[in-house]
Amino acid sequence: DAGVIQSPRHEVTEMGQEVTLRCKPISGHDYLFWYRQTMMRGLELLIYFNNNVPIDDSGMPEDRFSAKMPNASFSTLKIQPSEPRDSAVYFCASRGTSNEQFFGPGTRLTVL
Amino acid sequence: TQLLEQSPQFLSIQEGENLTVYCNSSSVFSSLQWYRQEPGEGPVLLVTVVTGGEVKKLKRLTFQFGDARKDSSLHITAAQPGDTGLYLCAGTGGGNKLTFGTGTQLKVEL
Repeated sequence: DAGVIQSPRHEVTEMGQEVTLRCKPISGHDYLFWYRQTMMRGLELLIYFNNNVPIDDSGMPEDRFSAKMPNASFSTLKIQPSEPRDSAVYFCASRGTSNEQFFGPGTRLTVL
Repeated sequence: TQLLEQSPQFLSIQEGENLTVYCNSSSVFSSLQWYRQEPGEGPVLLVTVVTGGEVKKLKRLTFQFGDARKDSSLHITAAQPGDTGLYLCAGTGGGNKLTFGTGTQLKVEL
């Protein structure tokens, strides 16, 4: 199995631009999680889905952030408009029937 | 909000030394996990502990869950350079959400 796939691995954009991060979970996993990691705040859960349905988005920082999961094999996290304080590494993780979350390699976002 | 404080925040030791990392909270967790993260990669699960007082061993790593299920420790015996990485504890209150600790950056030098 290829594991969780994220794209792009690196994204550099200017303030005000729209950013879309993509994730392909492990086949058969029915939970998908989006996290953000920074030096100051550590690893924070933004939102998670179960069977493509958003269950808890209480970690989404503000309305500029949105996430979708149109099908079991694809999810996006969008930031519009982006701000410098959004600079971080964004991780996607998926989970099946066990309690182990499998993380992707992350997307390093830099907003100038 | 459940918070998990890890100590120390940074640790630099020589190969062969022993070390202990602590994960503490004022909240009770139904289970606690330890992850290791290497540069440029996502965290990878090392172990899950679910019972108060539980001890699990993974080669040179020993994990313990506190009796009250509010704290945990990770002990590494005879550390090796390959143990270098960011160690994260993460707790769950019984649902699907993980709360991650503040992290311990370990560097093991030759």
